[in-house]
Amino acid sequence: DAGVIQSPRHEVTEMGQEVTLRCKPISGHDYLFWYRQTMMRGLELLIYFNNNVPIDDSGMPEDRFSAKMPNASFSTLKIQPSEPRDSAVYFCASSYTRNTEAFFGQGTRLTVV
Amino acid sequence: DAKTTQPNSMESNEEEPVHLPCNHSTISGTDYIHWYRQLPSQGPEYVIHGLTSNVNNRMASLAIAEDRKSSTLILHRATLRDAAVYYCILSGGGSSNTGKLIFGQGTTLQVKP
Repeated sequence: DAGVIQSPRHEVTEMGQEVTLRCKPISGHDYLFWYRQTMMRGLELLIYFNNNVPIDDSGMPEDRFSAKMPNASFSTLKIQPSEPRDSAVYFCASSYTRNTEAFFGQGTRLTVV
Repeated sequence: DAKTTQPNSMESNEEEPVHLPCNHSTISGTDYIHWYRQLPSQGPEYVIHGLTSNVNNRMASLAIAEDRKSSTLILHRATLRDAAVYYCILSGGGSSNTGKLIFGQGTTLQVKP
């Protein structure tokens, strides 16, 4: 397996534009996590899914953020409209089940200007 | 979620053992102890996890105190490649197990040649 695949690796967009980040988890993994990392706040859990169902979205900062998992092999994190303070590295991770190893993607570095 | 406390930074010499401590005095009986690390410009990487007994794998050893209020990650021979931020995380077990991983600030390990 190629691991968790995120796209794009880098995204530069203008304030107010819609941004969509994509994630392909490892096949057979039941859990999918979205994290955001900044220097100021470290790694923050935004939302996670179990069997394609959102379980906890309490980390989503505001209504501008939304995440979907239409099937077991694909998830998106959307920001609409984007703001400069959304600039961060966004990581997707997946795991087979609870309390097993979570595998992280390489991240998407988002810059909103 | 139960909280962990780690030193902000540690230094080690190359090829010497490293002991990274973590305090988790509010751990519950079903919480697993996970360790992840993050190399520069990469996503977090699983290191090891355990519940009550000490654990060994090819990367490291995990020593868990008998009362489970603290644990130590042991790197047996540090290499320059081990310079990273190390995160100690508790993940709830039992019926309340959510499977989510909440990252703190971690310990930045510097390895000197």
